[in-house]
Amino acid sequence: DIQMTQSPSSLSASVGDRVTITCQASQDISNYLNWYQQKPGEAPKLLIYDASNLETGVPSRFSGSGSGTDFTFTISGLQPEDIATYHCQQYDNLPVTFGQGTKLEIK
Amino acid sequence: EVQLLESGGGLVQPGGSLRLSCAASGFTFSSYAMTWVRQAPGKGLEWVSSISGRGGSAYYADSVKGRFTISRDNSKNTLYLQMNGLRAEDTAVYYCAKDPVQFSDGYNRWDYWGQGTLVTVSS
Repeated sequence: DIQMTQSPSSLSASVGDRVTITCQASQDISNYLNWYQQKPGEAPKLLIYDASNLETGVPSRFSGSGSGTDFTFTISGLQPEDIATYHCQQYDNLPVTFGQGTKLEIK
Repeated sequence: EVQLLESGGGLVQPGGSLRLSCAASGFTFSSYAMTWVRQAPGKGLEWVSSISGRGGSAYYADSVKGRFTISRDNSKNTLYLQMNGLRAEDTAVYYCAKDPVQFSDGYNRWDYWGQGTLVTVSS
């Protein structure tokens, strides 16, 4: 199975900050990488697909980059409503696997 | 408006069975692969199983293979997950989720999710 390692596991930042989360795959997954946002008590929401494509309706302050084994998710200008856990997910090979999640809090 | 509504969760003893359902509306159900993803309390997300739009292809995580069966009834716009031989480690919120691409395999990404149904396996 492909292991997805997210870092950090938790993060505290201030409103307006630029926030970066990384996800590393245990093998080359090309750009088969998605990012989800999950607020407490809610289902995940797709934000970024295929490493860098913004899902329809998602604010442009969210972005993603990377290919191969190293990926980055960025929030440019943190907003209070961005408080959530963020998950990366690979689909290059079955089984689909997720990172362990990054919990983002407001400082 | 796309809606996914799971049901069927509850408390079950180890070794028991449950069938989860996911009622879909707002899209042409038979054209889209569907998936079950679970989340144990306080843990991350785990892919469980996916099924193609017509039901001809199904895929499972090793942790549930041979115990869980995914199926769908396109005449009823409903997705199912039959869970047998339940174990404590199957305790989780189970989400059904829709693939955004018509006629795909179903295990790429998911653009709509249900609210989840809690399965608790305990004696």
